[in-house]
Amino acid sequence: GAVVSQHPSRVICKSGTSVKIECRSLDFQATTMFWYRQFPKKSLMLMATSNEGSKATYEQGVEKDKFLINHASLTLSTLTVTSAHPEDSSFYICSASRQGPMNTEAFFGQGTRLTVV
Amino acid sequence: AQSVTQLDSHVSVSEGTPVLLRCNYSSSYSPSLFWYVQHPNKGLQLLLKYTSAATLVKGINGFEAEFKKSETSFHLTKPSAHMSDAAEYFCVVSEDVGTGTASKLTFGTGTRLQVTL
Repeated sequence: GAVVSQHPSRVICKSGTSVKIECRSLDFQATTMFWYRQFPKKSLMLMATSNEGSKATYEQGVEKDKFLINHASLTLSTLTVTSAHPEDSSFYICSASRQGPMNTEAFFGQGTRLTVV
Repeated sequence: AQSVTQLDSHVSVSEGTPVLLRCNYSSSYSPSLFWYVQHPNKGLQLLLKYTSAATLVKGINGFEAEFKKSETSFHLTKPSAHMSDAAEYFCVVSEDVGTGTASKLTFGTGTRLQVTL
């Protein structure tokens, strides 16, 4: 199956600093990637849709200036948490769909555990 | 709009006994439905998917699910639970309107499966 790699898997940062999370599709091209956030013992909440070569589409309630998304190529999307605060601590997961006529399966990265201290 | 309801937040079974994780969905179009499993601090792994083919879908690790349109259900079952099945399970719906573009996924709230000796 297709592979999506997310890096880093775990990061601890100081409050006020920025953190970048990478999501790569290793063996296919992804015009669209999705970023999710998962709170402890909760489901995944879609944060934004990342589109290659254009601006990301953010879900209601997600601060686009705080969660910067860049999708510069067909295999890489990045999520930057700017001026991180303890409440941003969470598990972030990306997904990518394979390009083609039947894009009905998403492939997920391993997730990034962000802890802001 | 689409939505997913997982009827049980927590299910506990004994090893060797059957597993039933319930899921009901709501969708405006012909949906694609998925079950994903998430082990602690890990990403998501696809168990199985329904995309308008056979209504009984067989997945990995002995899991299967049956799409019942009349009941708007997609329950996940396994004849005999194993200790390694203990994890969080998510029922997911995707509205694929056949445009060839990636669809947003809507996640259920998850069911934590506990397997006891």
